[in-house]
Amino acid sequence: KAGVTQTPRYLIKTRGQQVTLSCSPISGHRSVSWYQQTPGQGLQFLFEYFSETQRNKGNFPGRFSGRQFSNSRSEMNVSTLELGDSALYLCASSTGTLHETQYFGPGTRLLVL
Amino acid sequence: QKEVEQNSGPLSVPEGAIASLNCTYSDRVSQSFFWYRQYSGKSPELIMSIYSNGDKEDGRFTAQLNKASQYVSLLIRDSQPSDSATYLCAVKGHMGAGKSTFGDGTTLTVKP
Repeated sequence: KAGVTQTPRYLIKTRGQQVTLSCSPISGHRSVSWYQQTPGQGLQFLFEYFSETQRNKGNFPGRFSGRQFSNSRSEMNVSTLELGDSALYLCASSTGTLHETQYFGPGTRLLVL
Repeated sequence: QKEVEQNSGPLSVPEGAIASLNCTYSDRVSQSFFWYRQYSGKSPELIMSIYSNGDKEDGRFTAQLNKASQYVSLLIRDSQPSDSATYLCAVKGHMGAGKSTFGDGTTLTVKP
């Protein structure tokens, strides 16, 4: 099976812009979760989508949003970028049950200037 | 108090030694526990998962879970330089299957 793919792999944006990141999960996986990883905060949960519905949400401002399509692919959008949004954004896919492992994609490294 | 805490590290062991990584969690209803390895510049990859109290072995890796003490550990036997990485403890609980809470990670260096 192909793994989790994320595009783009690298992005440079300036403050105030918006950005959209994409994630394609492993075939058959209906759950896609997004995480932000920074040196200071570690891996922080953003949100999870399951069967096109947001099932879980972390403690991030409303500038961070997402959606999931019928083929389970997911997008994450960040509006009005801030310098502090510079991070590695990881998506993880799973079947969506409690004991199941989340498999991570390679990540999108976002730099906000 | 952080929800998931790991030994602060960094941890350095000689090649062939046993590396011991520890993790405690605060949510008593946590159900699933995972150890991920992350090499610098890469994404986390699963090493072990454990759901029941006791030990679970997979090759050179052993995960140990004690729900009463809210403690999970990872032992790496016969450590190799290629094991040098950051090890992340992740916990899933009542918030749902799609949310894992991660510790800050312990950086392990295995010296030849």
